[in-house]
Amino acid sequence: GQNIDQPTEMTATEGAIVQINCTYQTSGFNGLFWYQQHAGEAPTFLSYNVLDGLEEKGRFSSFLSRSKGYSYLLLKELQMKDSASYLCAVRDSNYQLIWGAGTKLIIKP
Amino acid sequence: DGGITQSPKYLFRKEGQNVTLSCEQNLNHDAMYWYRQDPGQGLRLIYYSQIVNDFQKGDIAEGYSVSREKKESFPLTVTSAQKNPTAFYLCASKKGRTDTQYFGPGTRLTVL
Repeated sequence: GQNIDQPTEMTATEGAIVQINCTYQTSGFNGLFWYQQHAGEAPTFLSYNVLDGLEEKGRFSSFLSRSKGYSYLLLKELQMKDSASYLCAVRDSNYQLIWGAGTKLIIKP
Repeated sequence: DGGITQSPKYLFRKEGQNVTLSCEQNLNHDAMYWYRQDPGQGLRLIYYSQIVNDFQKGDIAEGYSVSREKKESFPLTVTSAQKNPTAFYLCASKKGRTDTQYFGPGTRLTVL
């Protein structure tokens, strides 16, 4: 079967760094996406990885290891507005997205 | 402004009634999707359409129906056959096979 695992909830302090992990087992792999979703709102696209390595975009970075079926999202210089759920999604061999349940990130002052 | 719109944002219906959720996009995207989101769960695919007049069932299509008569529009009907219709419904679209999906603001449906 297809499976994507992320921690349910994480807590971090304003100004700090946090790493949100995602492991996956899917039928085929055509890229991994990270989305941010604030409570009651739609997901918004953050990053995309299809090759191994680190993609950096401002305060956010995303890493992929295809051989390990593993990705992480790294958030630096945390701000209160980063409090949200972070969704990991893998595009499978049919080019459909398989979604993790999301990680709720709580930022404390 | 280009984007994806869903209306209404909140919808209340009595049990046993069919209800249609609207999704419109002016991004010239070919593919459109309907997802359902429940607390503590990932997004689950209901239906998707890659071209006009064609659509496929997703993982949880039972109790739902769709149409794709225009490229811009992909309405979702939640029928009385859907056992647990209360949820947050998200519409998404993308241009091509390898492109990123973008989401509308969502409709929160509550069946009383």
